[in-house]
Amino acid sequence: EVQLVESGGGLVQPGGSLRVSCAASGFTFSRFWMSWVRQAPGKGLEWVANINRDGSEKYYVDSVKGRFTISRDNAKNSLYLQMNTLRADDTAVYYCARVAAAALGPHFDCWGQGTLVTVSS
Amino acid sequence: DIQMTQSPSTLSASVGDRVTITCRASQTISSWLAWYQQKPGKAPKVLIYKASSLESGVPSRFSGSGSGTEFTLTISSLQPDDFATYYCQQYNSYSWTFGQGTKVEMK
Repeated sequence: EVQLVESGGGLVQPGGSLRVSCAASGFTFSRFWMSWVRQAPGKGLEWVANINRDGSEKYYVDSVKGRFTISRDNAKNSLYLQMNTLRADDTAVYYCARVAAAALGPHFDCWGQGTLVTVSS
Repeated sequence: DIQMTQSPSTLSASVGDRVTITCRASQTISSWLAWYQQKPGKAPKVLIYKASSLESGVPSRFSGSGSGTEFTLTISSLQPDDFATYYCQQYNSYSWTFGQGTKVEMK
């Protein structure tokens, strides 16, 4: 069974840092692009970042460029999001998502349960 | 950046109704559009990809159509399990954008 399990969320002060992780199982992790998508409380979905199969290409939404870094460890089947200089508007549930195979179009075909990041003093 | 506009934002319907949700892109995206269903407190689930392809395991009452800038998600006969929020999502040049969502609620 394909499974994505996020961890590492919590309460952090404005200007602080946090790293969230995603453990993947049930599929060959190194064969897929991976993503982070977030959802602020009561709001819609926002794509945050993507990383290619070997970690050599990374893409970000403008609002997190220079503050967030996506990375992966294929040996550990794990995806990470390092978040620095956090702001109140970064408060959200952060979902790890798998990007479908290219032939199917780059949609998100598998999602984790999410981890809540709260930025507040 | 490409913007995605969904309509309506909220839709009131009854079991058995035919339901249509529209998503418009600010510029052409070919057929790189997906539809997701999300229930409260749960992760989204993909229904349709590449504008009209049904994800495995998704009931056939869900269908998608369109290309270019205008897309539609149709539920042919609304079931009790379908009351949820629906999002469209586009892909273009290594950027992904979601629509603002359409909440389908009970009339």
